[in-house]
Amino acid sequence: ETGVTQTPRHLVMGMTNKKSLKCEQHLGHNAMYWYKQSAKKPLELMFVYNFKEQTENNSVPSRFSPECPNSSHLFLHLHTLQPEDSALYLCASSQPSGGVTDTQYFGPGTRLTVL
Amino acid sequence: AQKITQTQPGMFVQEKEAVTLDCTYDTSDQSYGLFWYKQPSSGEMIFLIYQGSYDEQNATEGRYSLNFQKARKSANLVISASQLGDSAMYFCAMRGSYNTDKLIFGTGTRLQVFP
Repeated sequence: ETGVTQTPRHLVMGMTNKKSLKCEQHLGHNAMYWYKQSAKKPLELMFVYNFKEQTENNSVPSRFSPECPNSSHLFLHLHTLQPEDSALYLCASSQPSGGVTDTQYFGPGTRLTVL
Repeated sequence: AQKITQTQPGMFVQEKEAVTLDCTYDTSDQSYGLFWYKQPSSGEMIFLIYQGSYDEQNATEGRYSLNFQKARKSANLVISASQLGDSAMYFCAMRGSYNTDKLIFGTGTRLQVFP
């Protein structure tokens, strides 16, 4: 595997289900990100992890729970979601330098549908 | 507040022609980075090109070049010799020096290349 991978690619779940999204990066980076992409809205940053520590939570509802066990893996645990949570969830990674040049590399995304 | 504006929801270009995708930005940071990403229908965000606010020359990467006009706060993407495979959504993004974790995205431009 190369780059950033995400599983599953598609997920349909009911509002009472619990599911998890997985992201793995093979780039040796130390920062990982979750984004939400809804139709006709800009990409929204959800969470940021730097060296396994959460450094950004962009006012995300508690029904989304991130987990970063190591620098290569990032999870997004989902429970009691709402239909408006249906979106493309993108994971990204970068090598943080503290500057403006860090390039984020994205995975293919998980297309989530909440019924 | 930082903001990215992409005013062209859709653009058409004939194969082998050049096309310019517009991007304007707003920031009070002195140091910032500007990025362009391509998102095909498969969903993955593909990094194309980067321009730093202190870079004196416009960035180029193969058929992609960035027309950076700092005084006008614009960072337009120029794609030369368009190919059918260039059909995708294109997003302009910015990172400021105040919060280097955050990448702010525009709403995107859908480019369609026709034969």
